[in-house]
Amino acid sequence: GAVVSQHPSRVICKSGTSVKIECRSLDFQATTMFWYRQFPKQSLMLMATSNEGSKATYEQGVEKDKFLINHASLTLSTLTVTSAHPEDSSFYICSAREGGIFPDTQYFGPGTRLTVL
Amino acid sequence: GQNIDQPTEMTATEGAIVQINCTYQTSGFNGLFWYQQHAGEAPTFLSYNVLDGLEEKGRFSSFLSRSKGYSYLLLKELQMKDSASYLCAPYASGGYQKGTFGTGTKLQVSP
Repeated sequence: GAVVSQHPSRVICKSGTSVKIECRSLDFQATTMFWYRQFPKQSLMLMATSNEGSKATYEQGVEKDKFLINHASLTLSTLTVTSAHPEDSSFYICSAREGGIFPDTQYFGPGTRLTVL
Repeated sequence: GQNIDQPTEMTATEGAIVQINCTYQTSGFNGLFWYQQHAGEAPTFLSYNVLDGLEEKGRFSSFLSRSKGYSYLLLKELQMKDSASYLCAPYASGGYQKGTFGTGTKLQVSP
């Protein structure tokens, strides 16, 4: 199956700093990438949908200026958590969808565990 | 929009069979995915159903009834490693999976 990587897998940062998370599709071109957040013992919550070359579509309640998403190429999307605070500590997961393929299976990256001190 | 309902938790013993149900109400429904998620890890794709009926894939099978808005995931010959959360994910028109998941069913397999 298709492979999606994320980097870093784990990051610890101080409050007020910014953190960038990369999501790459390794063996296919991802026309669409999704960013999720998952708090302990809770379900995946979609944060935003990112299409290559266009602005991301954010879900209700997700701050666009705080969670900056860039999908500059068909194999790379980045999520930047700006001015991170302890409440942003979570498991961030990306997924990628290969364009023109049916069914539109999402392939998930391994996730990034963010801890803000 | 969509509503997705799954049991929160289930328990079963090794070697047994377990069925995880999912009901949904999805505008423009086009198909349904099942994913497995182990604790602390990202979800992995298990199955996809677009037509009514049972799709079998090894120990795992998935069933869909479009008219009833109902699906189930059937796990046979349970193994300890099957302890995980199982996520039901209907997707909407245009063949485009927006990425909305149910809360998941946490399955605990005991010896």
